[in-house]
Amino acid sequence: GDSVTQMEGPVTLSEEAFLTINCTYTATGYPSLFWYVQYPGEGLQLLLKATKADDKGSNKGFEATYRKETTSFHLEKGSVQVSDSAVYFCALSDRGGGSQGNLIFGKGTKLSVKP
Amino acid sequence: DTGVSQNPRHKITKRGQNVTFRCDPISEHNRLYWYRQTLGQGPEFLTYFQNEAQLEKSRLLSDRFSAERPKGSFSTLEIQRTEQGDSAMYLCASSLTGTGNEQYFGPGTRLTVT
Repeated sequence: GDSVTQMEGPVTLSEEAFLTINCTYTATGYPSLFWYVQYPGEGLQLLLKATKADDKGSNKGFEATYRKETTSFHLEKGSVQVSDSAVYFCALSDRGGGSQGNLIFGKGTKLSVKP
Repeated sequence: DTGVSQNPRHKITKRGQNVTFRCDPISEHNRLYWYRQTLGQGPEFLTYFQNEAQLEKSRLLSDRFSAERPKGSFSTLEIQRTEQGDSAMYLCASSLTGTGNEQYFGPGTRLTVT
């Protein structure tokens, strides 16, 4: 079945460091890909998405490019801030195979940014 | 747009009791999803409604679980004869057809079964 694998955390960075969180997926159809963020004590928030190959999603300085050839959707940010400390989830929504569009999530990667 | 709301935010119950959670989606959203999240894991899909019709159920949704969305607006998730393994965060999300399945999540209901 469809699945998402993301790098295990926790990831600890200093402020202004470059961030990459790896995400790869397996899907039988043509998925849409998402990154969600969960700040401490809060619910999941949609961070960005991409719906087809080579699309780039971006928001709040974060970017991710849908790479069909490597089945990847890595999250990047050029300069992290303490306020980016959170758990990041990669997810897919398979638009084919009879699915009604429920999201399939990775296990999450906890990011801690130190001042 | 007030976002997705869920009630209660926390529920502690004794094993064997029944519990019911409520989700109010974003008002114009026609799709509603329930997920379960345990510590250190990503959310796992439970069930999905389009308007009032329940269109898909996960194998995780045992016969002790039932969900309704009677008028295509709010939804309830009931767990009968709770077990300690039901302890988790129960998340509700909603989306609108034609928006690329952007799902917006509520804050969740944390269930603890003692």
